[in-house]
Amino acid sequence: DAKTTQPPSMDCAEGRAANLPCNHSTISGNEYVYWYRQIHSQGPQYIIHGLKNNETNEMASLIITEDRKSSTLILPHATLRDTAVYYCIVDGVGTSGSRLTFGEGTQLTVNP
Amino acid sequence: DTGVSQDPRHKITKRGQNVTFRCDPISEHNRLYWYRQTLGQGPEFLTYFQNEAQLEKSRLLSDRFSAERPKGSFSTLEIQRTEQGDSAMYLCASSPSGRPAGGYTFGSGTRLTVV
Repeated sequence: DAKTTQPPSMDCAEGRAANLPCNHSTISGNEYVYWYRQIHSQGPQYIIHGLKNNETNEMASLIITEDRKSSTLILPHATLRDTAVYYCIVDGVGTSGSRLTFGEGTQLTVNP
Repeated sequence: DTGVSQDPRHKITKRGQNVTFRCDPISEHNRLYWYRQTLGQGPEFLTYFQNEAQLEKSRLLSDRFSAERPKGSFSTLEIQRTEQGDSAMYLCASSPSGRPAGGYTFGSGTRLTVV
């Protein structure tokens, strides 16, 4: 799986949009971009995934650049409960099982 | 279905003792994964089952570790002769076949402390 690079930490004001970047410059054509988050002392929680088109669900939006070398997770109106570690993962083998490779993620702190 | 359940939530054991953790996946999920997470790090893959077959094992899974999934339902992870370096959060996840629309579902983990 391709390697991802994320900033170790970010801050955001409550009610504002949180934009979390991820670099995956070695991504290959069949690899998807996944985002998970982990709130302290809980297991990771799936947020969203995409291949090349932008995606939106009830939790977040995922913007993938045209060359697919980077992406941004957008939480449109961050709340205090969005404080968590956010992991960007590139996964090319999801259709056949196997592992997700987590990096160290971005610690997002939402401030009141 | 209440999601992926793990038991116990916390385990403190003395070095050299054996411990066993249990994971109950979402009932219709045929894939089950074990991960280990140490403080400040992301989860690391340990092993993966499709139904009852163990299809992949990480090099992290030393011979002191064994995982089973009898009948393709719940799974157990056993650590024999525990060492202080085994202290970590052990996470279980499950998913259906194919690329799951909702990603993998993780449990809340079992936190192991070896003293």
